[in-house]
Amino acid sequence: KQEVTQIPAALSVPEGENLVLNCSFTDSAIYNLQWFRQDPGKGLTSLLLIQSSQREQTSGRLNASLDKSSGRSTLYIAASQPGDSATYLCAVQNSGYSTLTFGKGTMLLVSP
Amino acid sequence: AAGVIQSPRHLIKEKRETATLKCYPISRHDTVYWYQQGPGQDPQFLISFYEKMQSDKGSIPDRFSAQQFSDYHSELNMSSLELGDSALYFCASRQRTGLNTEAFFGQGTRLTVV
Repeated sequence: KQEVTQIPAALSVPEGENLVLNCSFTDSAIYNLQWFRQDPGKGLTSLLLIQSSQREQTSGRLNASLDKSSGRSTLYIAASQPGDSATYLCAVQNSGYSTLTFGKGTMLLVSP
Repeated sequence: AAGVIQSPRHLIKEKRETATLKCYPISRHDTVYWYQQGPGQDPQFLISFYEKMQSDKGSIPDRFSAQQFSDYHSELNMSSLELGDSALYFCASRQRTGLNTEAFFGQGTRLTVV
């Protein structure tokens, strides 16, 4: 059974810092990995999708990497802003037919 | 383009009542998922549909049922509601194969059972 772990559970940084969020998964035979952002009480916004054949994806100040062999992904946020404050969730899919398995998320607070 | 639409956004029900949540997936997406997210928890998978057929089942209580209709919208029916059913319920849709298999989530329905 796939298990997804996210470290740290919470992170507080001053505005402008670069930061890295970590995601690890137990079954490396994944189909894809997706990073989401969730504001309190709100829905999940997809940030980046990395297919199993890819090593990284970039969108603006966000860069996500994937190392399937070690079962790890990182989400790099450059020049953090207070508006980045949210919970970031990592989810993996083991096949095109399977569900998304989520980690418990990292709660990020960026202070002005 | 329109995203995944869920209705209602908020719902308050009493114990033992029933509730129906609706989900309208993105056009041409063939797969729909339902997730339940309790306070401070990660989303837990309930059930999924592929081309209107149930494809996978997670931790969905027997009191809940779901279906996908010919127009691809899906409904989650919840009966004999309990206080512990209070949560955010998300629907997500994706195209199972092709160039873009990204899953998109709706804004959720917040169910409060009193």
